Amino acid sequence: SAVISQKPSRDICQRGTSLTIQCQVDSQVTMMFWYRQQPGQSLTLIATANQGSEATYESGFVIDKFPISRPNLTFSTLTVSNMSPEDSSIYLCSVALGDYGYTFGSGTRLTVV
Amino acid sequence: EDQVTQSPEALRLQEGESSSLNCSYTVSGLRGLFWYRQDPGKGPEFLFTLYSAGEEKEKERLKATLTKKESFLHITAPKPEDSATYLCAVQAGRSGAGSYQLTFGKGTKLSVIP
Repeated sequence: SAVISQKPSRDICQRGTSLTIQCQVDSQVTMMFWYRQQPGQSLTLIATANQGSEATYESGFVIDKFPISRPNLTFSTLTVSNMSPEDSSIYLCSVALGDYGYTFGSGTRLTVV
Repeated sequence: EDQVTQSPEALRLQEGESSSLNCSYTVSGLRGLFWYRQDPGKGPEFLFTLYSAGEEKEKERLKATLTKKESFLHITAPKPEDSATYLCAVQAGRSGAGSYQLTFGKGTKLSVIP
């Protein structure tokens, strides 16, 4: 299975600022996924990121709020823009690798104050 | 709309007391049902994928089963280190951009008391 390194592991940010989360995979993957896990809630898919094309966003998520980059087959970033306290969540990146299902990074715990 | 409901929300077991977690789902053509374990402050850790009704998979003290409407995660003689939140997710058998999306339940928080 893949090993995913996600940074930062946690951060406390001021409202109105932006935070960029990095996700590095130890093998080349076509698709990377970004999820949000709000307190007490299930994981929700934000967007799917393909290398060399625009990310595909799920209903309720927009590019201006959550811009994503995917410069190569092992790396992606998610930016949470113009943050408000409602953006306080755990953000997770994920990749799909055959029989290992979907592998997740360790997550970024974001608190907006 | 795909839906996943997990029960109970929380479960406390004595060490060695076997039990089962439930995952009920509705999905338009199941491509796969996934079980994950999530420890506090960490990302979900993959446990099993089940693809068709009647399928069973085992790993140590865990056994996952699947029917057309639900999946069970059976825990036999649990140990304190089995304490975690267990997540269930489904992938629908649709094509196009939505084909990779996993729909997650809210999870069952398991506590195993020594």
